[in-house]
Amino acid sequence: EVQLVESGGGLVKPGGSLRLSCAASGFTFNTYSMNWVRQPPGKGLEWVSSISSSSTYIYFADSVKGRFTISRDNAKNSLHLQMNSLRAEDTAVYYCAREYSSSSGKAFDIWGQGTMVTVSS
Amino acid sequence: EIVMTQSPATLSVSPGERATLSCRASQSVNSNLAWYQQKPGQPPRLLIYGASTRATGIPARFSGTGSGTEFTLTISSLQSEDFAVYYCQQYNNWPPMYTFGQGTKLEIK
Repeated sequence: EVQLVESGGGLVKPGGSLRLSCAASGFTFNTYSMNWVRQPPGKGLEWVSSISSSSTYIYFADSVKGRFTISRDNAKNSLHLQMNSLRAEDTAVYYCAREYSSSSGKAFDIWGQGTMVTVSS
Repeated sequence: EIVMTQSPATLSVSPGERATLSCRASQSVNSNLAWYQQKPGQPPRLLIYGASTRATGIPARFSGTGSGTEFTLTISSLQSEDFAVYYCQQYNNWPPMYTFGQGTKLEIK
């Protein structure tokens, strides 16, 4: 079964750090770009970051640039998001998502169940 | 930055009827447009990519049209399981980034 499972969420104080992980299974992880998407409570979706299959290309949303880093370990089929200098507005469910790419287009075809990050004093 | 605007914010439709959801881009995104469905407590589910290609396992009652700046998701005959929030999403080739619309809540009339 194709699956993504996030972990590492929790409660952190403003200015603190947290590292999220995403364990992939059921597909050839090292052939897909991967992404993080977040969703504040009761609100819409926001793309956060992407990383190409071999980590060559990495991109961030402006809202997290300079504070978050993304990485992957293809030997362990895992994706990570290191979040530093956290703010209240970073409070959200964080999803990892697989990027599907074809001649017809790109999209996020597999999503994890998400992990909640709460930034509060 | 490309802004995606969905309308309406809430759509009330009776089961069995047709639902039409709109998504507008602030500048052309060609056919780089996807649609997702999200139910409470669940992650989004990919419905349509490339503006009109159904994802694996998506019923034929879901269809996507449009290109450039105007896009439409149509659900031809609403089933009870279709009531959810729907998001459109565009992607830029450069700089590579994805932008979601704010969502349309499809509710039972």
